[in-house]
Amino acid sequence: DQQVKQNSPSLSVQEGRISILNCDYTNSMFDYFLWYKKYPAEGPTFLISISSIKDKNEDGRFTVFLNKSAKHLSLHIVPSQPGDSAVYFCAASAAGSYQLTFGKGTKLSVIP
Amino acid sequence: EPEVTQTPSHQVTQMGQEVILRCVPISNHLYFYWYRQILGQKVEFLVSFYNNEISEKSEIFDDQFSVERPDGSNFTLKIRSTKLEDSAMYFCASSNIAGGDTGELFFGEGSRLTVL
Repeated sequence: DQQVKQNSPSLSVQEGRISILNCDYTNSMFDYFLWYKKYPAEGPTFLISISSIKDKNEDGRFTVFLNKSAKHLSLHIVPSQPGDSAVYFCAASAAGSYQLTFGKGTKLSVIP
Repeated sequence: EPEVTQTPSHQVTQMGQEVILRCVPISNHLYFYWYRQILGQKVEFLVSFYNNEISEKSEIFDDQFSVERPDGSNFTLKIRSTKLEDSAMYFCASSNIAGGDTGELFFGEGSRLTVL
């Protein structure tokens, strides 16, 4: 039961270009969405989030877009840097719940 | 910078043995969580803990699992009788507000459990 789906297991992007990571969800009760970054042998690190009342949130090079009608969100990284190479997890939560539901992750490789 | 610490980093055990994974959450955090990631799969929620009791648990968190906050700093996950399918990376996390409402959890580096 994949309530949060990241259909691209991997993505390669040239340094300086835009990276776009996509995520789809099926549970209409989700009202808060997050992106986490994970390096090998480390735990996930919070990157950026967005509430369902917004359609965009920006933090430096990172922007998250939410399309509620399509149940789709995306993470844009501009410009991409080699240090951005990691696995990116999309996650979602529902009001009143303590748990995050994660996608399977997308491995981003930024090529110098 | 405050961080969540976990021990051991890797534990190998025989099937049927009891395992305790330990975590020290960030000191002023009130909400504590365990997640796990089986190799190649997604990170899965196990349990959340607040005010010295379980606030939410998943279907994975059956009677073989238990959590405890034995003192003011540690948060432990016990697996009573390990099975092969318990082999995974176990992540502890903490937050200062309910994770489901805002979502920003601080994760530890994980404890890799290998059940033989």
